[in-house]
Amino acid sequence: EVQLVESGGGLVQPGGSLRLSCAASGFTFNGFWMSWVRQAPGRGLEWVANIKQDGSERDYVDSVRGRFTISRDNAKTLLFLQMNSLRAEDTAVYYCARAVWFGGYMDVWGKGTTVTVSS
Amino acid sequence: DIQMTQSPSTLSASVGDRVTITCRASQSISDWLAWYQQKPGKAPNLLIYRASALQNEVPSRFSGSGSGTEFTLTINGLQPDDVATYYCQQYKSSPYTFGQGTKLGIK
Repeated sequence: EVQLVESGGGLVQPGGSLRLSCAASGFTFNGFWMSWVRQAPGRGLEWVANIKQDGSERDYVDSVRGRFTISRDNAKTLLFLQMNSLRAEDTAVYYCARAVWFGGYMDVWGKGTTVTVSS
Repeated sequence: DIQMTQSPSTLSASVGDRVTITCRASQSISDWLAWYQQKPGKAPNLLIYRASALQNEVPSRFSGSGSGTEFTLTINGLQPDDVATYYCQQYKSSPYTFGQGTKLGIK
């Protein structure tokens, strides 16, 4: 069964850091782009970042560029999102997703992990 | 950035109805468009990619059409299980933007 399981969410103060993880199973992890997508409470979906199969290409939405870093460990089939300088507006459910067509759209999603940035 | 605008924002229809949701892009995206269904408290689920290609195991009552800047998602024969919010997403260019969503309910 193809599965993505996120972890690492929680409550963090503004300016703090958090590292999200996503454990992948049931498919050839190093054969796919991977993405992070977030959803603020009561709001719509926002694509955050994606990473190529070998990690050689990474892309970000402007609002997180320079603060967030996407990475992957193909040997352990793990995807990461390092989030620094967190702001209240980063509060959201963060979904890990398998991406298709050069990382363009997402065909498998995890259940999400919640990040709350508040003092 | 390419802006995606969906209409309507909310929609209520009867079981068995044909339902149409529209998505407009601020510039041409060819057919680089996907549709997702998100049920309350759940992760999104891919329905359609490349504007009209049905994802595996998605019921055939769902269909997509369009190209350029205007796209539609159609549900032929609405079922109670289709209660959800539906999102379009362009993947013509980064950042890959979503529409604001259409919340679909049953009358």
